[in-house]
Amino acid sequence: GENVEQHPSTLSVQEGDSAVIKCTYSDSASNYFPWYKQELGKRPQLIIDIRSNVGEKKDQRIAVTLNKTAKHFSLHITETQPEDSAVYFCAARRDSSYKLIFGSGTRLLVRP
Amino acid sequence: EAQVTQNPRYLITVTGKKLTVTCSQNMNHEYMSWYRQDPGLGLRQIYYSMNVEVTDKGDVPEGYKVSRKEKRNFPLILESPSPNQTSLYFCASSLSDRFVQPQHFGDGTRLSIL
Repeated sequence: GENVEQHPSTLSVQEGDSAVIKCTYSDSASNYFPWYKQELGKRPQLIIDIRSNVGEKKDQRIAVTLNKTAKHFSLHITETQPEDSAVYFCAARRDSSYKLIFGSGTRLLVRP
Repeated sequence: EAQVTQNPRYLITVTGKKLTVTCSQNMNHEYMSWYRQDPGLGLRQIYYSMNVEVTDKGDVPEGYKVSRKEKRNFPLILESPSPNQTSLYFCASSLSDRFVQPQHFGDGTRLSIL
């Protein structure tokens, strides 16, 4: 069945450094890739998403890149701040399906 | 304010006692979905609904039921809860048109089945 693998499961960086989280998906028909941030005890919140017709999307300090040939996509956070500490989830979905497949999550810790 | 509302937020109950978790959205969204979140497993889809009276199974539907009698409500029913259904549950909704739309999540319901 469809699945999304996410790495690493935990990531610790120094404040100001960059963080990269990678996901690989199995369904080649997937064409929508959102990233969610979940702070402790809170709901997942969409931080950025990308569709398969673009290779990269940027929003201030966060960016997502997509490689459809290799079936992987990555989240890049630059100039990390302590408030970036959270669990990040990637997901994948195709337009013809209502199933959103999530990765297992990455716990990011930004050390002051 | 646009929101997805889940109730209750917390519930401790016993094996076999039927329970319902309600979910309501005020954004006139066609699509609604239920997920469970367990450590190390991310979010897994239980059931989803494309519109009123249209529902389908997600990846982990066993032990759960849903209904969609009204557009705004999508309750999750556990007819005979068991300890392996202890989890954090999220309801989500989104517009449903030709292209996939971002999902809005509720605040979550933490269920403990003893």
